[in-house]
Parts: sequence; structure tokens; C-alpha cells
Amino acid sequence: SQKIEQNSEALNIQEGKTATLTCNYTNYSPAYLQWYRQDPGRGPVFLLLIRENEKEKRKERLKVTFDTTLKQSLFHITASQPADSATYLCALDMILSGGTGGSYIPTFGRGTSLIVHP
Amino acid sequence: EAQVTQNPRYLITVTGKKLTVTCSQNMNHEYMSWYRQDPGLGLRQIYYSMNVEVTDKGDVPEGYKVSRKEKRNFPLILESPSPNQTSLYFCASSLSIQGFYNSPLHFGNGTRLTVT
Repeated sequence: SQKIEQNSEALNIQEGKTATLTCNYTNYSPAYLQWYRQDPGRGPVFLLLIRENEKEKRKERLKVTFDTTLKQSLFHITASQPADSATYLCALDMILSGGTGGSYIPTFGRGTSLIVHP
Repeated sequence: EAQVTQNPRYLITVTGKKLTVTCSQNMNHEYMSWYRQDPGLGLRQIYYSMNVEVTDKGDVPEGYKVSRKEKRNFPLILESPSPNQTSLYFCASSLSIQGFYNSPLHFGNGTRLTVT
């Protein structure tokens, strides 16, 4: 079965540094990969979506890469701030039905906690 | 404001007492889904719905029921709650999960359920 791995250990970094979070997957070739932010006790909030034919996507201080050969996505936050402290979830879109225009159900990793120290 | 609204936010109940958690979205989204989140286990999908009157099981459907009679509402029903259903529940919706129109999920703020 397909498996999504995110580092279970919290990532601690100093303010101003670049945070890099990893999402690895096995036994699957997702068409889409998404990253979400979740604050304690709150629902996840969508950040970025990247398609299988895209290598990289950026949004302000955020950058996502998608390497289908390595089966890995990296999520970067540049010039990190204490307000960036949260849990970050990656989600792979699992195809529900085959063929062109099929439906894709997102399946979530367990998330990695990021702590940015002032 | 575009949002997914869940109620109640907190719920404490006893084993066997039927309960319903409501979920409503005002974005005319086709796709809706329920998740439970437990420490160390992440988000696990309970049920999802591709559209009105179309529902299907996710990864952990046992002990739950859903219905989708209207596009905006997707209630989660626990007919006979048990302590192992104590969890944080999230409802989510998406405009579509069809390949070319795949769009991200919008989540509600969660319902923390305790079953004693």
C-alpha cells in the first residue's frame, strides 16, 4: 500500500533561517501533491499545490519542489518567523478512478512540527 | 465569507448515546469529506461525498454514518458512540476532485469529541 512519510521529530530553527521540511512517499505516483499548515486545535489551511509535471512552485516566502524520481517533495520557508511555527502536512492525491479526468482523493501524511525560535 | 462550519466545537457524551456532528459549506463545493485526527496517527478519512446523494467509505468508516441530501450539508452520525471514537474531527470541502479541476480542501475548525 502507498505510504507517506514526514519527519515525526519537530524541526527547530532560528528566526531568519530557511526551514526545509520533507515529504517522502512509496508505492505510488501521485498526480498532485499539496502542503497544508495546521495550528494546534485548528483545521489545516491550504498553502500550495504542485502537479507531477511541475518541478517547483513558489508563493511569497514558500517554495515547494516535487521530484517524482526520488518520490520526494521539499517544502521551504525562507526568512522564517516565529509566526511560522505550526505543523505542516503534505497530502498526496490518490487516483480514485483511472483515465483522463479521473478523481483524486488527497491522503495526508502525519505532519512535521516546525518551531521557529526568536 | 467562504467557510466550512462545523458544530458543535466541543462535545462530551456517553457510550451508546447517538449524536450528530453537523458540517455546512457556503462555497457550492461538490466534494465533502470527514476526517478524524489522533495523536501520532495524523488525519484519517472516515467518509467522503463526491456530490449530492453520493457517499463512500474512507479508511476508517466503522461506527460512522453520513448523508448528503443537500450540496451544502454533510452531517456525521455516530449511532452508538464508543470511547475509541474520542478524537478531533474535521469536515472538509473542495470545489472538485476531478483531475483537471482538482482544487484544494477547505477545512472546518474541528469538533473535539469525548466519549466516556
